[in-house]
Amino acid sequence: AQSVTQLGSHVSVSEGALVLLRCNYSSSVPPYLFWYVQYPNQGLQLLLKYTSAATLVKGINGFEAEFKKSETSFHLTKPSAHMSDAAEYFCAVDSNSGGSNYKLTFGKGTLLTVNP
Amino acid sequence: DGGITQSPKYLFRKEGQNVTLSCEQNLNHDAMYWYRQDPGQGLRLIYYSQIVNDFQKGDIAEGYSVSREKKESFPLTVTSAQKNPTAFYLCASSINGHPNEKLFFGSGTQLSVL
Repeated sequence: AQSVTQLGSHVSVSEGALVLLRCNYSSSVPPYLFWYVQYPNQGLQLLLKYTSAATLVKGINGFEAEFKKSETSFHLTKPSAHMSDAAEYFCAVDSNSGGSNYKLTFGKGTLLTVNP
Repeated sequence: DGGITQSPKYLFRKEGQNVTLSCEQNLNHDAMYWYRQDPGQGLRLIYYSQIVNDFQKGDIAEGYSVSREKKESFPLTVTSAQKNPTAFYLCASSINGHPNEKLFFGSGTQLSVL
């Protein structure tokens, strides 16, 4: 069974500082990996996804993530935080098993606070 | 504009009552999903449907029921058997349910117990 671990339920950074949100996965087969963002009282929006085309994935709003198979990680980064980045971020994994069974597993989320 | 519409935004349930959450999409997507979100718990899959008139249980289907009579609609009923229904419920869709597809989410329904 696949699982996702997001280290740190709450991360606080200053405006202009580096954002690093950690995600580790376990999957018995090469995975598809996603980062979603949720603003208060709203649904989730896709930031970026990894589907094996390239290990460094660029997403919207200046975010990017690097797939590291040896570390089973898919950490999300942004060089300079903006106040508008304050939100909850979710990492998700789906096994590229080739079967018809849909199974996207979400992490528990990391709440990002940006301080002025 | 294309998207997913969930209604109502807030819903209150009395003990022993069944309530139905609405989810409608005009994206022409085949696959639709229901997730439950509890604070600090992430999202957990309740039910999903990859085609009209077919649906599958997710990880936490007990106490819930769904139907998929039309491509654009996937209502969720929270039955009286669900003893802890208070949560934020999210509906989502994707083109045909392939694992590498982006999910499109509605803005959610907050269900509370009176």
